[in-house]
Amino acid sequence: AQKITQTQPGMFVQEKEAVTLDCTYDTSDQSYGLFWYKQPSSGEMIFLIYQGSYDEQNATEGRYSLNFQKARKSANLVISASQLGDSAMYFCAMRGARDFNKFYFGSGTKLNVKP
Amino acid sequence: GAGVSQSPSNKVTEKGKDVELRCDPISGHTALYWYRQSLGQGLEFLIYFQGNSAPDKSGLPSDRFSAERTGGSVSTLTIQRTQQEDSAVYLCASSLATGFYNSPLHFGNGTRLTVT
Repeated sequence: AQKITQTQPGMFVQEKEAVTLDCTYDTSDQSYGLFWYKQPSSGEMIFLIYQGSYDEQNATEGRYSLNFQKARKSANLVISASQLGDSAMYFCAMRGARDFNKFYFGSGTKLNVKP
Repeated sequence: GAGVSQSPSNKVTEKGKDVELRCDPISGHTALYWYRQSLGQGLEFLIYFQGNSAPDKSGLPSDRFSAERTGGSVSTLTIQRTQQEDSAVYLCASSLATGFYNSPLHFGNGTRLTVT
C-alpha cells in the first residue's frame, strides 16, 4: 500500500517569509500523482497543487511550488511570502497506478503564520 | 457550477440511532469518495464509487456502515446503531475522471457528526 508521511505536526512562520512543508511518500509504483490540500479552520479541503511522477519540472501555482525530488521520494510544498490567511492544516496526498482510485493522505501539518 | 454539497452540515444523535449523511457531487463527476476525519487527525478512506458501483469498500469500519449512490449522482452514507467512536467529520469528495492522475478530489464542507 502507498504511504504518505508528514513529519511536522506544527510549523510557525513569520508573515512574508517562505516556508517549506515536508512530505515523503512510499510507493513501488512508477506512475503516480502527488497533491497538496489546504484545510482552514472552517474545514473545507482546498486543492492547491499537483505533481505527476513523470513531470520534469517542479509544479508551481502562484505562491505555491512543489519541490519534487523523485529519488528521495519527497514532495515538499513551498509557500512563498506567507500571509496570515495561509494559517491552516496542509495535507499531502498521492494516488498510484496500482491503487489508482484511492487517494492516500498524510497526517497533515498545521501551519501558523505570525504577524 | 456548484461545488460538492453535503447535508446536514451538523448532526447530533443519540447512541444507538441510525443516521444518514448525504452528498451531492459536482455535476459530471463520475467518481465519488467518502472520508472520515476525527478531530485534529488526517483523512481516513471509507468508500469509493465509480458511477453507481462501489469497487472499493475496504475502508468501511464495520458492517454498521453502508453507502449507496443512485443515478450516478447523489450518495448516502448510512451509519446504523451509532456509537460514540463514530463522532467525526464525514467528508465527501468527487472527481471528474478516474483515468487521469492529475484529476484532483473536490471536497464538500463535511458533515460533523456527534454521537452523545
